[in-house]
Amino acid sequence: QSVLTQPPSVSGAPGQRVTISCTGSSSNIGAPYDVHWYQHLPGTAPKLLIYDNNNRPSGVPDRFSGSRSGTSASLAISGLQAEDEADYYCQSYDSGLSGSVFGGGTKVTVL
Amino acid sequence: RLKESGPGLVKASETLSLICTVSGGSIDSDAYYWGWVRQPPGKGLEWIGTVFHDGSTYYNPSLNSRVTVSLDTSRTEFSLKLRSVTAADTAVYYCAGSLNFNYFNPWGQGSLVTVSS
Repeated sequence: QSVLTQPPSVSGAPGQRVTISCTGSSSNIGAPYDVHWYQHLPGTAPKLLIYDNNNRPSGVPDRFSGSRSGTSASLAISGLQAEDEADYYCQSYDSGLSGSVFGGGTKVTVL
Repeated sequence: RLKESGPGLVKASETLSLICTVSGGSIDSDAYYWGWVRQPPGKGLEWIGTVFHDGSTYYNPSLNSRVTVSLDTSRTEFSLKLRSVTAADTAVYYCAGSLNFNYFNPWGQGSLVTVSS
């Protein structure tokens, strides 16, 4: 069981908007510690997609956005494209574990 | 900028050892921590441990008794040792830099380690 909870899968048609939730607790997201998101394609290294809740690294399209509220965070992908089909992970810091924690991952399928 | 190296096959009960070579930047940075993350087949990402240039270490409590992460600033590399491995330790192991022990970026390409019986 992951410390951060994500839905196993979400799907959407091209052009649609999908959101991925990441639920934590008062010792991590609710503390509040920052939430970060990664896109992971098979056979490649995870790619930082969103850092510090809602910031995009250079080169990440503005179709990707993040937010945090209370003990939860979410990643939104607008204008869904075939290339967005991948696994997405949220990550934060947990004071009880004194270290980094990841969500279980969400597979995004483009219909 | 980061690249993992080490055996791809380890026998059960032995020690898994990996090295991450850092290029294009200083491993002595006051802002960067250096860590390891793994992904078992069909499962999600799991943080293993992190080291700072002053030697401070931080480990996942579930692996704490078996893991050591250390830094070699003279060689601009850091390492992972995981003792008494079992089949459950079979995974792709990634090394990564972590700004202020926050998010992980950059990442190495990953190294598949299989534990054999």
